[in-house]
Amino acid sequence: NAGVTQTPKFRILKIGQSMTLQCTQDMNHNYMYWYRQDPGMGLKLIYYSVGAGITDKGEVPNGYNVSRSTTEDFPLRLELAAPSQTSVYFCASSPGGAGYTFGSGTRLTVV
Amino acid sequence: GDSVTQMEGPVTLSEEAFLTINCTYTATGYPSLFWYVQYPGEGLQLLLKATKADDKGSNKGFEATYRKETTSFHLEKGSVQVSDSAVYFCALHLSGYSTLTFGKGTMLLVSP
Repeated sequence: NAGVTQTPKFRILKIGQSMTLQCTQDMNHNYMYWYRQDPGMGLKLIYYSVGAGITDKGEVPNGYNVSRSTTEDFPLRLELAAPSQTSVYFCASSPGGAGYTFGSGTRLTVV
Repeated sequence: GDSVTQMEGPVTLSEEAFLTINCTYTATGYPSLFWYVQYPGEGLQLLLKATKADDKGSNKGFEATYRKETTSFHLEKGSVQVSDSAVYFCALHLSGYSTLTFGKGTMLLVSP
């Protein structure tokens, strides 16, 4: 039972580059989320989705984009990477808004 | 708005000591309450939950009781182990909402 799978686990980007963080879940959960966690800090919600074709902004959406074409996948796109986007990114899913299952995270460094 | 307040860390204990991590909440309705744990280098995992007042959630020796009168959900363990060293997050969910509201997390360090 894979749960929530995130790739890659680590990535170094140069300023101005773009990349997509992948997130896949195999639990048929309708709700999916992207969070970032800065060193020593709590979680900040970037974007979330309540079902395929539906996405909504969280508290820190600037510099990111998402899409949800299938129930399983919820990729996060970074355009024009900036040092302020250096963080650990977590994807999560839930069946109904609570009881999240988290992925193991992507550690991103922008230099 | 809805919010969760946790005690600041780090909490530093010796093995076999008693643990309390305080969590209080503010919510417009009657939330479900959760504790998540994040071990070093990993994602968050659900530790325990309670869905209504006076419910007690428990798992792996940890307990927390949903206290409506004090709007609290304090995490306790009678005897901590080195392997309990982690960051603990308190969270709430209101029915009909799409997201959890997390506290800022409390780091626990247990020494042998």
